[in-house]
Amino acid sequence: KAGVTQTPRYLIKTRGQQVTLSCSPISGHRSVSWYQQTPGQGLQFLFEYFSETQRNKGNFPGRFSGRQFSNSRSEMNVSTLELGDSALYLCASSPRGGGEQFFGPGTRLTVL
Amino acid sequence: DAKTTQPNSMESNEEEPVHLPCNHSTISGTDYIHWYRQLPSQGPEYVIHGLTSNVNNRMASLAIAEDRKSSTLILHRATLRDAAVYYCILRDNLETSYDKVIFGPGTSLSVIP
Repeated sequence: KAGVTQTPRYLIKTRGQQVTLSCSPISGHRSVSWYQQTPGQGLQFLFEYFSETQRNKGNFPGRFSGRQFSNSRSEMNVSTLELGDSALYLCASSPRGGGEQFFGPGTRLTVL
Repeated sequence: DAKTTQPNSMESNEEEPVHLPCNHSTISGTDYIHWYRQLPSQGPEYVIHGLTSNVNNRMASLAIAEDRKSSTLILHRATLRDAAVYYCILRDNLETSYDKVIFGPGTSLSVIP
């Protein structure tokens, strides 16, 4: 079974731009969660989607948004990029939400 | 949200057992204790989880205190490939659960050849 895939793996943007990251969960998994990882703040929960609905959200500004499609693939969008948005963005999937999560390799976003 | 505390770093010699502690004094009755690890330049990977009884799998063992306020991840023979950041987190395993997942800073394990 293929694992969680994330595209692109690396991305460089400039301040003020917007970015869209993509996540394809493991086949059959309906829950997708997004995390931001930075050296200073560690792994922080962004949001979780299940069956195209956002079920939970972390403490991030409204510039961070996401969506999930009917095939469970998910995208997250960051608008008006700031230097502090430079981070590794990780996606994780699970069958229903609770319990074990399977993480992708992440997208490394650099904001210049 | 229930939180966990772990030592920032630990060292182990190769081929020796490693005991990674985790405190979770505010754990609720339905919280499962999960351990993940993150190798350099990779996403976290699941290691093991348990509720009340000790658990074993091919990667590690999980020892849970009787009062469930603490647990210990045991790597029986550390290898260089076990050098990683180990995270102890609490998850509600109910099918209807959709809790926020809170990762602490974890324990950075160094393995000395």
